[in-house]
Amino acid sequence: GAGVSQSPSNKVTEKGKDVELRCDPISGHTALYWYRQRLGQGLEFLIYFQGNSAPDKSGLPSDRFSAERTGESVSTLTIQRTQQEDSAVYLCASSLRRGGQEQYFGPGTRLTVT
Amino acid sequence: GIQVEQSPPDLILQEGANSTLRCNFSDSVNNLQWFHQNPWGQLINLFYIPSGTKQNGRLSATTVATERYSLLYISSSQTTDSGVYFCAVMYSGGGADGLTFGKGTHLIIQP
Repeated sequence: GAGVSQSPSNKVTEKGKDVELRCDPISGHTALYWYRQRLGQGLEFLIYFQGNSAPDKSGLPSDRFSAERTGESVSTLTIQRTQQEDSAVYLCASSLRRGGQEQYFGPGTRLTVT
Repeated sequence: GIQVEQSPPDLILQEGANSTLRCNFSDSVNNLQWFHQNPWGQLINLFYIPSGTKQNGRLSATTVATERYSLLYISSSQTTDSGVYFCAVMYSGGGADGLTFGKGTHLIIQP
């Protein structure tokens, strides 16, 4: 079946602009996660959604970052007033349900802030 | 929060060699995954292994949860095995919903 998809694959934006990144999870997966990978680094957790529950925003690096998810489908990660340190690959993952379930990752969106 | 350490950080081998990658973690987990990140940045799931032993072709993995470590074995390495291998865990004690990743092992297989 189809895996996790993300769009756009690449995004170049000017400092100070807002960007929206999109994630389509695997069909039937109720849990959705966003991670960030800076150049040469491991992944850091940003935010998690489970069904219609309030998201766990504990990993968001600043209030410029926000995310939404409609039910158990598409999610968007929005970064307002982008800064150069926001340049990274943003990866989305999904799992069947919350907790210790296996997570499957999308191909990521490479964001470059100039 | 939970800490994850991977070793070695870098490994260069000749084609055909065997290798062992290690992942140590600091607390109890209900999820442990091994990933291979290919040169295009895609994370490929290798194993979901919070405990026990699994094998898939030339790859196998063992997690000893009571001793808080996991090992990934690669036998008869091929150049296509090159890339970064990540271990990631989720703390089982609640309050954490995302995976915590190690810094990875950068593996280079030379022909």
